[in-house]
Amino acid sequence: DIQMTQSPSSLSASVGDRVTITCQASQDIYNHLNWYQQKPGKAPKLLIYETSILETGVPSRFSGSASGTDFTFTITSLQPEDVATYYCQQSGTFGQGTRLEIK
Amino acid sequence: QVQLQESGPGLVKTSETLSLTCTVSGGSVNSGTYYWSWIRQPPGKGLEWIGYIYYSGSTNYNRSLKSRVTMSIDTSRNKFSLRLSSVTAADAAMYYCARISGWWPNIYFDFWGQGARVTVSS
Repeated sequence: DIQMTQSPSSLSASVGDRVTITCQASQDIYNHLNWYQQKPGKAPKLLIYETSILETGVPSRFSGSASGTDFTFTITSLQPEDVATYYCQQSGTFGQGTRLEIK
Repeated sequence: QVQLQESGPGLVKTSETLSLTCTVSGGSVNSGTYYWSWIRQPPGKGLEWIGYIYYSGSTNYNRSLKSRVTMSIDTSRNKFSLRLSSVTAADAAMYYCARISGWWPNIYFDFWGQGARVTVSS
C-alpha cells in the first residue's frame, strides 16, 4: 500500500504569511494527489485535485505543486478564515492532517 | 448541486451492527460516472476511508475493515448504505458519506455529507 506522510502536524502563522504544507508519497503516484480543508465541526471540503487543479470557487491564494513524490500545498497570503485542518489524499489514504492556526 | 445527507442511529451498543444511510439529492447514484463512499473520523483524529460502492453494486473496502463492512445501494431511492458489524469503542466516530470522482485508484472526494455522529456504548 502507498503511504502518505504529511508535515507539519501543526502550524501557526500570521495573517498575510505564506504557508506551506507537504505530503510525501512512498512511491510514484504521478499527479494523483488531492487536498482538503476541514474547518472545526464541518465536513472536509475539496480544495485541489490532481496536484494543482483548483476546485470551482476556491480562492486563488490556494495552490498545489509537486516534485517527484513530494507534494506541496501553499496558501500565498494567509487569511483568518483559513484556520482549519488540511489533509492530503491519494486513493483510499489520507495524510495525518495539518492543523493551521493564526498567531 | 449534489447534496448528501447521512441518517441512522447515533448510538450503537458494543458488538452490534452500525447502520447508516446516505440520501443523495441533485444527482443520481445510478450514474456510472461516480463512486459512492463512506469515510469516518474518530473524535480529534484524522480521516479514514471505509470503502465505496458503484451503481452496479460492486464494492471496494478498506482492508482493515473489510471483514466487518457491507455496503449496499438502492438506485430507485437514490440512497446507499453502510453496515459495520461487531462494533467496539474504536468505531465511535463521525461518519461521512461522499461522492467520488475520477477512476479508482486516481480518485477524489468532491461532495460530502455533513456527517453523522455515532457513539458506541456497552
